[in-house]
Amino acid sequence: AQSVSQHNHHVILSEAASLELGCNYSYGGTVNLFWYVQYPGQHLQLLLKYFSGDPLVKGIKGFEAEFIKSKFSFNLRKPSVQWSDTAEYFCAVNGVGAAGNKLTFGGGTRVLVKP
Amino acid sequence: EPEVTQTPSHQVTQMGQEVILRCVPISNHLYFYWYRQILGQKVEFLVSFYNNEISEKSEIFDDQFSVERPDGSNFTLKIRSTKLEDSAMYFCASKGGNGGELFFGEGSRLTVL
Repeated sequence: AQSVSQHNHHVILSEAASLELGCNYSYGGTVNLFWYVQYPGQHLQLLLKYFSGDPLVKGIKGFEAEFIKSKFSFNLRKPSVQWSDTAEYFCAVNGVGAAGNKLTFGGGTRVLVKP
Repeated sequence: EPEVTQTPSHQVTQMGQEVILRCVPISNHLYFYWYRQILGQKVEFLVSFYNNEISEKSEIFDDQFSVERPDGSNFTLKIRSTKLEDSAMYFCASKGGNGGELFFGEGSRLTVL
């Protein structure tokens, strides 16, 4: 079975600060990895995804994530956050070949960026 | 840009009543999903659907839940007899192929009184 854990439940930071959100997954085989963002009152939107190739992936809005296979990690980073980055961020994993091709989400990290 | 649409956006119901949540996935997609998010909690997988049948379901998806794709475009989630703990945001999602990106709808908020 696949599982995802996100280390921080809440993060508060000021504009222009750097952001790093931790994500670790558990699955015995090849994985596809995702970060989704949920702005207040809105639906889940894809920030970035990793399927294969370069383990450093760049997404929308200046976000990037690095897949480190040996650590089963897929941490999300942004060098300089803005107030509009206030949202909840979800890491998700899809085990390739897993029944149903389902996406399993981590518990989410609420990020509050103070102006 | 194609999108997943869900109706209703918000439904309030009495405990014990039947509820049907509707979703129109992206038209050429083949895999369909329902997820739910209880307020303040994580997004939880409920069920996946492919080739006109359930491919996987979670422990949450008990006999009170069912899914249907009645007409080739809609994908519905039915809760036969709602309980207070069914109150949540229900998200429909679809994807085109194996391993592809999941596209989510805006969600249907269900409140059970």
